[in-house]
Amino acid sequence: GAGVSQTPSNKVTEKGKYVELRCDPISGHTALYWYRQSLGQGPEFLIYFQGTGAADDSGLPNDRFFAVRPEGSVSTLKIQRTERGDSAVYLCASSLNAGEQYFGPGTRLTVT
Amino acid sequence: AQSVTQPDIHITVSEGASLELRCNYSYGATPYLFWYVQSPGQGLQLLLKYFSGDTLVQGIKGFEAEFKRSQSSFNLRKPSVHWSDAAEYFCAVGRSYNTDKLIFGTGTRLQVFP
Repeated sequence: GAGVSQTPSNKVTEKGKYVELRCDPISGHTALYWYRQSLGQGPEFLIYFQGTGAADDSGLPNDRFFAVRPEGSVSTLKIQRTERGDSAVYLCASSLNAGEQYFGPGTRLTVT
Repeated sequence: AQSVTQPDIHITVSEGASLELRCNYSYGATPYLFWYVQSPGQGLQLLLKYFSGDTLVQGIKGFEAEFKRSQSSFNLRKPSVHWSDAAEYFCAVGRSYNTDKLIFGTGTRLQVFP
């Protein structure tokens, strides 16, 4: 079946702009995760949804970052007033249970 | 707090040689441990995982890993490396009762020479 998909694959935006990154999880997966991967680093946890609710948002760096999953499927990561330091690859993963996370290809965000 | 250390940033091996990638973790309870591989432009793919039981875990693509509690290690091994194994490898740890998030190491880049 289809894996986790993320759109867009690349996003270039100007400093101060607002961006939305979308994640479409594997059908039927109840859990959804967002990670951020900076150059030369491992993925860093941002937020985790179980169903529609954010079960753990402790990794969101500040209040410019927000994520939603209104129907328990697709999720959108929203970044306000982007900064150059937000440039990274944003990864989404989903899982059917708490065992194994399946990752999407990521969205490369570049803030100029 | 949980943490993962991958001491080797970059490793180079010849095709056909054996491979061992090191991973050390810090966690107070029994961890869930994972190895992922990331090829250029690709998403993270799970190679293997350890939850409990046999401490030697077999994964895909001929990889295996051994959990050693006394050393807080979960090293990845392969007896004979193929050129297609060149990629970035990440070790990760999750909480034993609920892998709601994974803590990743900084990765090891594997280069394979023919």
